[in-house]
Amino acid sequence: KAGVTQTPRYLIKTRGQQVTLSCSPISGHRSVSWYQQTPGQGLQFLFEYFSETQRNKGNFPGRFSGRQFSNSRSEMNVSTLELGDSALYLCASSFDRENIQYFGAGTRLSVL
Amino acid sequence: GQQVMQIPQYQHVQEGEDFTTYCNSSTTLSNIQWYKQRPGGHPVFLIQLVKSGEVKKQKRLTFQFGEAKKNSSLHITATQTTDVGTYFCAVNFGNEKLTFGTGTRLTIIP
Repeated sequence: KAGVTQTPRYLIKTRGQQVTLSCSPISGHRSVSWYQQTPGQGLQFLFEYFSETQRNKGNFPGRFSGRQFSNSRSEMNVSTLELGDSALYLCASSFDRENIQYFGAGTRLSVL
Repeated sequence: GQQVMQIPQYQHVQEGEDFTTYCNSSTTLSNIQWYKQRPGGHPVFLIQLVKSGEVKKQKRLTFQFGEAKKNSSLHITATQTTDVGTYFCAVNFGNEKLTFGTGTRLTIIP
């Protein structure tokens, strides 16, 4: 069974640009959650999607958005990038939000 | 809001010594999960505790869930270099998202 796949693995952008990250969950998993990980802030929850609907959202500005497709694949978008958005973005899938989270390898975003 | 405190933030131990990390909540938890993230890696699920007072073991790792379901601990006996990483607890307060603790970074001194 394939694990959670995140693309791209690395990304370098400049301030003001926008970026789209992709996540393919484990087959059969309908819940996809996104997290931002930075050295100082740990794992911060961004949002969670289930069956194409956003069920929960963390305390991030509206520049951070996401969506989920009918095949459960998910994308997250960050517009008007800021230097502080540099982080490892992790996607995790599960059968449902209370279940075990299976993480992808992450996308490391650097904003210059 | 509902938060979970994890202590200590860092722990340096000599190889062979024991290690413990604690996760505390002011609110009763539905369950708690533990994850390990190796340096440069991603969090990997270790275990889930659901019942009050539950104790589970995985080789040298012992996980406990408090009687009041407000705290939990992860204890590693006789640490090895392979234990290096950051250990996170993740809690469920009810019908809410999974909330991760701040993590405990374990460093092993050979």
